[in-house]
Amino acid sequence: ETGVTQSPTHLIKTRGQQVTLRCSSQSGHNTVSWYQQALGQGPQFIFQYYREEENGRGNFPPRFSGLQFPNYSSELNVNALELDDSALYLCASSAGTKNTGELFFGEGSRLTVL
Amino acid sequence: QKEVEQDPGPLSVPEGAIVSLNCTYSNSAFQYFMWYRQYSRKGPELLMYTYSSGNKEDGRFTAQVDKSSKYISLFIRDSQPSDSATYLCAMQGTGGFKTIFGAGTRLFVKA
Repeated sequence: ETGVTQSPTHLIKTRGQQVTLRCSSQSGHNTVSWYQQALGQGPQFIFQYYREEENGRGNFPPRFSGLQFPNYSSELNVNALELDDSALYLCASSAGTKNTGELFFGEGSRLTVL
Repeated sequence: QKEVEQDPGPLSVPEGAIVSLNCTYSNSAFQYFMWYRQYSRKGPELLMYTYSSGNKEDGRFTAQVDKSSKYISLFIRDSQPSDSATYLCAMQGTGGFKTIFGAGTRLFVKA
């Protein structure tokens, strides 16, 4: 069984740039959720994708967007980067959209915006 | 007021101690309660998952949920240095698609 993998693991960008983060879900999981974890904070829900459609969204601006592909892998795109976007971005896969309780997380992509 | 409140610590205990970690919440719609452990520079991993009120035990770990008080706890018995990590409480409502996390409590277990 292959776990959740994310790439890149670390990256540095400057304000105003755009970034794309990638996630491969765990084998058999059709749902991917993205979370932002600022230093010293808990993960904050960005959005969830199921069957290539956005299934729900947290309190993040439209410059945060995503995609899910037929193989259930996913991308998170952030445009017009701001300093406050510096964080660990976590991808989590699950076997359904609701109340599984169990999210399987990748190790995250650490983004630094200068 | 945040939906989920968790003391960030740090909490430092000697090896073998019983550790108590807690969270309070404000949203009475939460029905699913989880505890995740996160080691430094790693993603969170699920430790315990309970539905509604009650207790659940798994090895050295016990999770308690008191919905009347909107209070959940995680107890770790015979704590080990390998338990040193950040512990995140997390919650979901019925039919919800997002999980709400606490800020996490940093735990250090000294050998």
